[in-house]
Amino acid sequence: AQSVTQLGSHVSVSEGALVLLRCNYSSSVPPYLFWYVQYPNQGLQLLLKYTSAATLVKGINGFEAEFKKSETSFHLTKPSAHMSDAAEYFCAVSGNTDKLIFGTGTRLQVFP
Amino acid sequence: DAGVIQSPRHEVTEMGQEVTLRCKPISGHNSLFWYRQTMMRGLELLIYFNNNVPIDDSGMPEDRFSAKMPNASFSTLKIQPSEPRDSAVYFCASSSTGGAYEQYFGPGTRLTVT
Repeated sequence: AQSVTQLGSHVSVSEGALVLLRCNYSSSVPPYLFWYVQYPNQGLQLLLKYTSAATLVKGINGFEAEFKKSETSFHLTKPSAHMSDAAEYFCAVSGNTDKLIFGTGTRLQVFP
Repeated sequence: DAGVIQSPRHEVTEMGQEVTLRCKPISGHNSLFWYRQTMMRGLELLIYFNNNVPIDDSGMPEDRFSAKMPNASFSTLKIQPSEPRDSAVYFCASSSTGGAYEQYFGPGTRLTVT
């Protein structure tokens, strides 16, 4: 069985500040991990994914995430927030099947 | 590629009416997923197909909901009869087969049942 926990339903940062969105997973098999972003009135868009290669994964728009097996975490970071990063972010896990188990999402606000 | 195509983008209907949502997956993708998103319940997987066969429909709310995939390039989600609590954004997504493959989401259909 698999599950994902996203800590913090809302995160607020100032423009230029570090973005850190937390994701912890549980999986009975080696996991595949994903971060998606959803802008208002749009579908979900893949930011990055971990598929058992490098533990530090770089994605689009300057985001990256690090897979830490010992901590069962896959936190999303960006060194410097832009106003355009304001959106909802979803962490997801899959294993042996096609199903993605999504977290409840974190809404990121960026203040000027 | 045009991506996942959904129609209509918006649907407003009265309670009791039949609603049909349509999805065209990305060509070559073997798996297709239907999700529902609401403020209260977040993102829920309703059903998914692999090679046009329903694999897991445990998320379908009740018998009023049905989904079909008659061929590799088309799927429908039908609600009959519709109720106000069905108001939500419905997303279709597709992927290649296997857990390592990401899902590509369509733009969604915003359904309002009055």
